[in-house]
Amino acid sequence: GENVEQHPSTLSVQEGDSAVIKCTYSDSASNYFPWYKQELGKRPQLIIDIRSNVGEKKDQRIAVTLNKTAKHFSLHITETQPEDSAVYFCAASRGGSQGNLIFGKGTKLSVKP
Amino acid sequence: GAGVSQSPSNKVTEKGKDVELRCDPISGHTALYWYRQSLGQGLEFLIYFQGNSAPDKSGLPSDRFSAERTGGSVSTLTIQRTQQEDSAVYLCASSFTQETQYFGPGTRLLVL
Repeated sequence: GENVEQHPSTLSVQEGDSAVIKCTYSDSASNYFPWYKQELGKRPQLIIDIRSNVGEKKDQRIAVTLNKTAKHFSLHITETQPEDSAVYFCAASRGGSQGNLIFGKGTKLSVKP
Repeated sequence: GAGVSQSPSNKVTEKGKDVELRCDPISGHTALYWYRQSLGQGLEFLIYFQGNSAPDKSGLPSDRFSAERTGGSVSTLTIQRTQQEDSAVYLCASSFTQETQYFGPGTRLLVL
């Protein structure tokens, strides 16, 4: 079955710097890759997603890149702010009748003012 | 419209007791998922319902866990003979497109 590895497990940056979180997946049939942000005690919230027919997607300060050949995808946050501090999870799924998400173990991002 | 809701928000039970956790998906969403999140850990897939199809139960950790979805809407996750290792946050999510999943607030289960 699918296995998603996420690195690093913790990341500390200064406000204004960029943060990059990387994930690899094992199932070449996976075609949907969302990223979720989870603040302490809150539910996971989708922040951006990418499908396998696209190599990069950007939404303001957040971007995601996908390399299907290497089976890895990354989250890039630019101009980080203290409110970006949270745990970020990557996930992968095949979609369709196998739509359940397989999650990475999460990255705890701390943005220091 | 309203988001995914779950009840109860917190549940404390004694080892060996049965518990039922409820999920109300977003209206019109055909897919419903249950995940488990242990303290400081990632999300572990449990079970997936899609329309009237047979559910994908491949993530259920033991036969003490079961779930049903009545009328294609509300779902109940039942844990029988609870064990301390069942303590976790149980998250429900729903989706329309089978891809973008929206999560509920979770039920925090503590087994004493």
